[in-house]
Amino acid sequence: QQKVQQSPESLIVPEGGMASLNCTSSDRNVDYFWWYRQHSGKSPKMLMSIFSNGEKEEGRFTVHLNKASLHTSLHIRDSQPSDSALYLCAASDDSGYNKLTFGKGTVLLVSP
Amino acid sequence: EAAVTQSPRNKVAVTGGKVTLSCNQTNNHNNMYWYRQDTGHGLRLIHYSYGAGSTEKGDIPDGYKASRPSQENFSLILELATPSQTSVYFCASGDEGFQDTQYFGPGTRLLVL
Repeated sequence: QQKVQQSPESLIVPEGGMASLNCTSSDRNVDYFWWYRQHSGKSPKMLMSIFSNGEKEEGRFTVHLNKASLHTSLHIRDSQPSDSALYLCAASDDSGYNKLTFGKGTVLLVSP
Repeated sequence: EAAVTQSPRNKVAVTGGKVTLSCNQTNNHNNMYWYRQDTGHGLRLIHYSYGAGSTEKGDIPDGYKASRPSQENFSLILELATPSQTSVYFCASGDEGFQDTQYFGPGTRLLVL
């Protein structure tokens, strides 16, 4: 069973709209969460990270973390066509070597 | 931004043949990783290393070996390639802190016929 579950699998939002992506870990040892973005044919690039309960905002991107439920969410406001990509959630614990477990991802399409 | 390069970028191999994928990073990162990405599975960790001379098994190591001869280089070796190893392979590097980002190379697309 996938230890990191992402939902939805795919999402279509209009340009200028809000996109909301979800991620939950079933591993109680997880401490750290990352969101990576991967455009088609490219490599994943780290978008945001969150390690403490609460919210973190960077420009149009906001990430939330609830450590009790091991749930994180990524919200993109004023979505742009250039935001169309695969969004990957990853989690790690503090057992060493910073090994990441990735979810299967959410495909976001922003329609002009 | 951290620089990670991979070679070759595309590779066609025959079943039973040996394949070596190479990765180089110039960021002096201690940790390096090999992942494969398949539709429906996301990114899965094959092998990783925490320094020159070290290699560790990840979540799906069967059929793969790894080699870290130096701080900069990390190779993934398929001794007897099979069609099920057709995939896109990504190398990544990162520092050893728990909150350090991993930086990915451009990927190698491998087709095993």
